Amino acid sequence: NAGVTQTPKFQVLKTGQSMTLQCAQDMNHNSMYWYRQDPGMGLRLIYYSASEGTTDKGEVPNGYNVSRLNKREFSLRLESAAPSQTSVYFCASSEVISGEVPGELFFGEGSRLTVL
Amino acid sequence: QKEVEQNSGPLSVPEGAIASLNCTYSDRGSQSFFWYRQYSGKSPELIMFIYSNGDKEDGRFTAQLNKASQYVSLLIRDSQPSDSATYLCAVNNQAGTALIFGKGTTLSVSS
Repeated sequence: NAGVTQTPKFQVLKTGQSMTLQCAQDMNHNSMYWYRQDPGMGLRLIYYSASEGTTDKGEVPNGYNVSRLNKREFSLRLESAAPSQTSVYFCASSEVISGEVPGELFFGEGSRLTVL
Repeated sequence: QKEVEQNSGPLSVPEGAIASLNCTYSDRGSQSFFWYRQYSGKSPELIMFIYSNGDKEDGRFTAQLNKASQYVSLLIRDSQPSDSATYLCAVNNQAGTALIFGKGTTLSVSS
């Protein structure tokens, strides 16, 4: 099983350029998430989608947009990249344990983005 | 105030000792609690989850949850050098629909 697949794994951008990070899961999970990880900061939630057709802001949404294309795919777009967006980005998916409370997160391998 | 707090460490223990990792959270309504391990340059991987007050044991790992004190901990018995990693605590957010992570505690086990 592929699990959660992210592309690209590495990307270098110049300030002001745009790009989209792609994420797909094959576990039929309802919920999908985008996190960023910076040294010493743990994982910070950017956006999430609790179900197909819905998206919500997380802790650090500024400068990002997301699209839940279908149940499998959840993309993250940087419209005008800034050096502060240099980070490792992780996509994750989960099922729910009750109501909308998420269960275990399954992570992709991460996408390392550098903005010059 | 961040919703999930952890000491950043590093926490250093000798091989064979017990490592104790702690986490506090701010939302009394939180229902799901997770411990993830992350090796440098890798994705986080699940170690334990706990949903009810009390202790939950899985091999060398024990998770402890005290909802009244808003506290969750992870004990690692017979620590091994391979346990050296960053341990991330995660708790569901105020809306209940996503997981919020602490900054992580770095554990170093010396042989």
